[in-house]
Amino acid sequence: AQSVTQLDSQVPVFEEAPVELRCNYSSSVSVYLFWYVQYPNQGLQLLLKYLSGSTLVESINGFEAEFNKSQTSFHLRKPSVHISDTAEYFCAVNSGGYNKLIFGAGTRLAVHP
Amino acid sequence: GAGVSQSPSNKVTEKGKDVELRCDPISGHTALYWYRQSLGQGLEFLIYFQGNSAPDKSGLPSDRFSAERTGGSVSTLTIQRTQQEDSAVYLCASSLDPGVKNIQYFGAGTRLSVL
Repeated sequence: AQSVTQLDSQVPVFEEAPVELRCNYSSSVSVYLFWYVQYPNQGLQLLLKYLSGSTLVESINGFEAEFNKSQTSFHLRKPSVHISDTAEYFCAVNSGGYNKLIFGAGTRLAVHP
Repeated sequence: GAGVSQSPSNKVTEKGKDVELRCDPISGHTALYWYRQSLGQGLEFLIYFQGNSAPDKSGLPSDRFSAERTGGSVSTLTIQRTQQEDSAVYLCASSLDPGVKNIQYFGAGTRLSVL
């Protein structure tokens, strides 16, 4: 069975500092990996995805994630965070077939001035 | 509509009452998913629809939970005889089709509180 582990439930960081949110997965088949972001009182929004090809994927707002097959990881990084990045971030793997998503427990990123 | 719409946004009910949660997916999206977000359980898959059929109901936690989809569009999740442990945010998502490369778009959710 597939599963996703997000190692940090909360990550506090100061504005303009770099951040890494960790995600590890387990799967016996080819994987498709996603990061979703949930701002307060909003639904989930897709941040970025890995389907195939380049192992480094980027979002439009400066986040990037690297698919590492040997370490079964898909960590999310940003070199300089903003207050507006404060949100909860969910890593997910699809189960194949009809695209059922298996989510990690989430990491709450709190950016302080 | 522009996105996935869920109603109500908040629902407070008494233990033992039935509730209905509605999801209006993006027009033309054939695949629809329900998830539940609760403290301690994270985000859990409940049920998946392709058109009006539900090939996977494996995430429904008990027989008090049911869902239907009509006209390949609107879906309703019904919880009968609600219990306090049903308190959670219920999220609906839709995608163009169930292919693995298709993005799931999520609604803002229905926050259910069972007193």
